[in-house]
Amino acid sequence: GQQLNQSPQSMFIQEGEDVSMNCTSSSIFNTWLWYKQDPGEGPVLLIALYKAGELTSNGRLTAQFGITRKDSFLNISASIPSDVGIYFCAGPLGAGGTSYGKLTFGQGTILTVHP
Amino acid sequence: DAMVIQNPRYQVTQFGKPVTLSCSQTLNHNVMYWYQQKSSQAPKLLFHYYDKDFNNEADTPDNFQSRRPNTSFCFLDIRSPGLGDAAMYLCATSRVGGKTREAYEQYFGPGTRLTVT
Repeated sequence: GQQLNQSPQSMFIQEGEDVSMNCTSSSIFNTWLWYKQDPGEGPVLLIALYKAGELTSNGRLTAQFGITRKDSFLNISASIPSDVGIYFCAGPLGAGGTSYGKLTFGQGTILTVHP
Repeated sequence: DAMVIQNPRYQVTQFGKPVTLSCSQTLNHNVMYWYQQKSSQAPKLLFHYYDKDFNNEADTPDNFQSRRPNTSFCFLDIRSPGLGDAAMYLCATSRVGGKTREAYEQYFGPGTRLTVT
C-alpha cells in the first residue's frame, strides 16, 4: 500500500525563522493535503493541493505539489510561537470505489518554536 | 459554525468494560471516519461510513465496532478495551460524490482521549 515518508521528524527553531518540511510517496498521488495538530486536539486542514506543480498559500504557509506527483513541500515563513505543533502530510489511501475519500498520513513533523 | 463534535473529550474506562465514544457533525457530510492515534504517531484509519455503508479496514480488530444511526451521528464502540487501546480517537467527515476535490478534504473533531485502567 501507499507509504508516506515525512521529514524531518522534528525541528527546533527560533521565532522568526522560516521552516521547510517535505513528504514523499512510494506511488503517484493526485491529491496532497497538509494538516496541523495542536497538542490534545484534532488535526486541522491547512492546505489541499490537486495539480502537479501547484503552489498554494494560506497566510504564512505555502505548500507545493511536486512535479513528479510523488512529493509535496510545506514552508512556513517568519515562524511564531503559535506555529508549534505536529504537521502531517496526507494523501489518498486506496484506488477509488469504497476507498474514495480515505487518507493515509505521514509520520508527522514536530515543530518547536523558541521565543 | 459548521463543525465536528466529539464527546466526551476525555474518557476513562476499566479493562474489559465496554465503552462508547460519540461523534456528531453539522457539515452534512455523507462520509464519517474513525481514527485511532497513539502518542507521537499518525492517525490510523479504523473504519468509515459512506452514507449507511460500513467499511472496515482489514487490520481493525473485531473489538472495535461502529454505528451510524443517521447522517449526523456516528459512534465508536469498544467491546472489551485492553490497555493497548488507550489512545486518542478522532472522528472526521468529508463530502464524497460532489466535487472531486472535496472528497479528500477531511474535517476532524477535537478527539476523545481514552484511558484504560
